[in-house]
Amino acid sequence: GAVVSQHPSWVICKSGTSVKIECRSLDFQATTMFWYRQFPKQSLMLMATSNEGSKATYEQGVEKDKFLINHASLTLSTLTVTSAHPEDSSFYICSASLAGGPDTQYFGPGTRLTVL
Amino acid sequence: GQNIDQPTEMTATEGAIVQINCTYQTSGFNGLFWYQQHAGEAPTFLSYNVLDGLEEKGRFSSFLSRSKGYSYLLLKELQMKDSASYLCAVTGSTLGRLYFGRGTQLTVWP
Repeated sequence: GAVVSQHPSWVICKSGTSVKIECRSLDFQATTMFWYRQFPKQSLMLMATSNEGSKATYEQGVEKDKFLINHASLTLSTLTVTSAHPEDSSFYICSASLAGGPDTQYFGPGTRLTVL
Repeated sequence: GQNIDQPTEMTATEGAIVQINCTYQTSGFNGLFWYQQHAGEAPTFLSYNVLDGLEEKGRFSSFLSRSKGYSYLLLKELQMKDSASYLCAVTGSTLGRLYFGRGTQLTVWP
């Protein structure tokens, strides 16, 4: 089946630094990737939709200058949390979608970000 | 807008049957998904319904009524490993874009 990887699986950083999270589709080409954030005991909240070769579409309330998304190829999307603060500490999950079909959104294993 | 509602918590005993309900209101509808998520892990796909009726897959079944904006996930012969959060998600007018409910935390007791 389709496999999506994320790197790193966890990261601890100091407040004010930037952190980059990678999302890769390992055995398929993903025209669309999605970035979610999940706080403890909360559901997944979509942050942005990333399409290869074009600008990401951000959900209302998500700062595009703080959460930079780059989808440079059909197998890689990156999320950079700039000037991270403790309130950005969360579980970040990406998913990749094939074009068309029902169950075509495959989730990565997630990245646990802790900002000190 | 999108609104997906499901109970916050449920408990059941090993070997029992449990039904997790989900109601939704969305602009556009292209299918409803159920995912299982263990703590600290990413969601894993359980089922997909786009037409009314029941879809059975082993111990898990999922039902959809589009006219009522209602779905349920039925888990039979519960096992301890079924303790997890179950997420109901709906695809709206944009294929692939999922709107998630808050999740139902199921605890299975021995």
